[in-house]
Amino acid sequence: EAGVAQSPRYKIIEKRQSVAFWCNPISGHATLYWYQQILGQGPKLLIQFQNNGVVDDSQLPKDRFSAERLKGVDSTLKIQPAKLEDSAVYLCASSSGLFNEQFFGPGTRLTVL
Amino acid sequence: AQSVTQLGSHVSVSEGALVLLRCNYSSSVPPYLFWYVQYPNQGLQLLLKYTSAATLVKGINGFEAEFKKSETSFHLTKPSAHMSDAAEYFCAVTAPGGGNKLTFGTGTQLKVEL
Repeated sequence: EAGVAQSPRYKIIEKRQSVAFWCNPISGHATLYWYQQILGQGPKLLIQFQNNGVVDDSQLPKDRFSAERLKGVDSTLKIQPAKLEDSAVYLCASSSGLFNEQFFGPGTRLTVL
Repeated sequence: AQSVTQLGSHVSVSEGALVLLRCNYSSSVPPYLFWYVQYPNQGLQLLLKYTSAATLVKGINGFEAEFKKSETSFHLTKPSAHMSDAAEYFCAVTAPGGGNKLTFGTGTQLKVEL
């Protein structure tokens, strides 16, 4: 069974630029999560989708971050414009249901200069 | 609201020694608790979880954890450390029925020395 795929694995941009990350969850997983993991901290949930609907985006900085899951499968997370403090690893996870184990992708490491 | 505190951001043990990683939780309702492991440049992998069944939970790679309500703790242990256990470990909590929204601790980096 293929795991959660993410791309790119690494991205370096300058502040005020925009960036997008892509996630392809495990086939058949209805629930998809985006986490932000700043160096030295645990992952923090940014947004949670159930199929193509948002379940929780209470910690998503909506002035600059956006996410979509148009067909209920893969998802993109965008930052526009990026700030220095957005430097982090962005993890995508998926689960077969709202109460089931989350499987994590390898993450995208973003560096904002 | 739920939170977890992991005591010790870095733990070092000798190969073959006991591993003990500490996690204390705060929750207004009986929690579900998890331990995840993260190897360099990889995503998180679930080691074990407590979901209100047996208080002693056994996970993968010889790890286990015990839920102690009186101490609000969920410490992770392994009797004998192996070099391959070197990684970062995260404790996480969620509320049953909370939509699987995990709140993570700040992590403990485990170093295993010869």
